[in-house]
Amino acid sequence: GDSVTQMEGPVTLSEEAFLTINCTYTATGYPSLFWYVQYPGEGLQLLLKATKADDKGSNKGFEATYRKETTSFHLEKGSVQVSDSAVYFCALSEGNQGGKLIFGQGTELSVKP
Amino acid sequence: GAVVSQHPSRVICKSGTSVKIECRSLDFQATTMFWYRQFPKKSLMLMATSNEGSKATYEQGVEKDKFLINHASLTLSTLTVTSAHPEDSSFYICSARPGERYNEQFFGPGTRLTVL
Repeated sequence: GDSVTQMEGPVTLSEEAFLTINCTYTATGYPSLFWYVQYPGEGLQLLLKATKADDKGSNKGFEATYRKETTSFHLEKGSVQVSDSAVYFCALSEGNQGGKLIFGQGTELSVKP
Repeated sequence: GAVVSQHPSRVICKSGTSVKIECRSLDFQATTMFWYRQFPKKSLMLMATSNEGSKATYEQGVEKDKFLINHASLTLSTLTVTSAHPEDSSFYICSARPGERYNEQFFGPGTRLTVL
């Protein structure tokens, strides 16, 4: 079945450091790919998405490119802030699955001043 | 736009009682709502998919008699945890999808259930 694998956390960075969170997926079709962020004590918020190969999603300085050849959707940010501390989830949705989201295990990011 | 609310945000109950959690889409109609369970430092586990006016579709391993889902209108779905036990303590999150042409879900803030 479809699955999503993220790099394990926690990831601890200093403010203004470069961030990469790896995400790879397996899917039978052509899924849409998402990054969600969960701040402490809150629900999930969509951070960015890409619906087809080579699409780049971006938001709030974060970027991820849908790479079909490597089945990856790595999240990057050039300069993290303390306020970026959260748990980040990579997810996919297959068009023929009624909108179901399959999540990776989540990566906790902690940014220190 | 695309706001989803959940109520209550926190609930503590005694073992053996039932708890109802509401999920509402505030500014759009949701043909489909999803219920997830999240364990500490774990990913979200899809419990069931709820379509307005029809029975929910439960994921494998989820007891439908224990987790009753009702999607009575296009803006409201409820999850009732029946005869709750301490192992049901968790963070329950709902999401809503505006329609089949949308591949995006909008998430509620979650409900923390603690069963004593």
